[in-house]
Amino acid sequence: DGGITQSPKYLFRKEGQNVTLSCEQNLNHDAMYWYRQDPGQGLRLIYYSQIVNDFQKGDIAEGYSVSREKKESFPLTVTSAQKNPTAFYLCASSPREGASTEAFFGQGTRLTVV
Amino acid sequence: AQSVAQPEDQVNVAEGNPLTVKCTYSVSGNPYLFWYVQYPNRGLQFLLKYITGDNLVKGSYGFEAEFNKSQTSFHLKKPSALVSDSALYFCAVRDINQAGTALIFGKGTTLSVSS
Repeated sequence: DGGITQSPKYLFRKEGQNVTLSCEQNLNHDAMYWYRQDPGQGLRLIYYSQIVNDFQKGDIAEGYSVSREKKESFPLTVTSAQKNPTAFYLCASSPREGASTEAFFGQGTRLTVV
Repeated sequence: AQSVAQPEDQVNVAEGNPLTVKCTYSVSGNPYLFWYVQYPNRGLQFLLKYITGDNLVKGSYGFEAEFNKSQTSFHLKKPSALVSDSALYFCAVRDINQAGTALIFGKGTTLSVSS
């Protein structure tokens, strides 16, 4: 089965802790993306990567970090600098060539600060 | 800069009636346009897209969308709504000259279909 796997589905973080959200794809896509979803605000782009070992900040990158050491993997770390991390996080991927190709999404990780 | 507007936070329709979910966009060049649906606590599912050609695009689950370049709109439609269509719908855009870049999404419209 080809697709995008996000884990865990639910994650709880204490104040001041860093946490890492996993995103793995077996679609052979070059480009991968992280979005944050809050009620009434739609999807906001955190980071994206068009190729291994390269990534760019999105609109709300502050308090987050990423790495892209392998084509299949694009983990997102929510650092203690992110003041309001409670949200639903979505990972997506698409081929790098061809702007007409849709993005494919994982099932999301819901992060809650406790 | 690219942007998408979904002017209605919620659309309510009765089962069997036609539905329309509105979307307008802004890009510097020509657009590729997409519609996605999201069920609670799930990822986004692709419904349909406009690339070029016929302005009326047909997609999954009986949905269709009409591209109107002069009005910069891409409204989602369905002739007869089902209760199971109740979900959150997102419109997205990408400039045709920006392959590999992220889709830009609207804020979403909640569709509620009553029986």
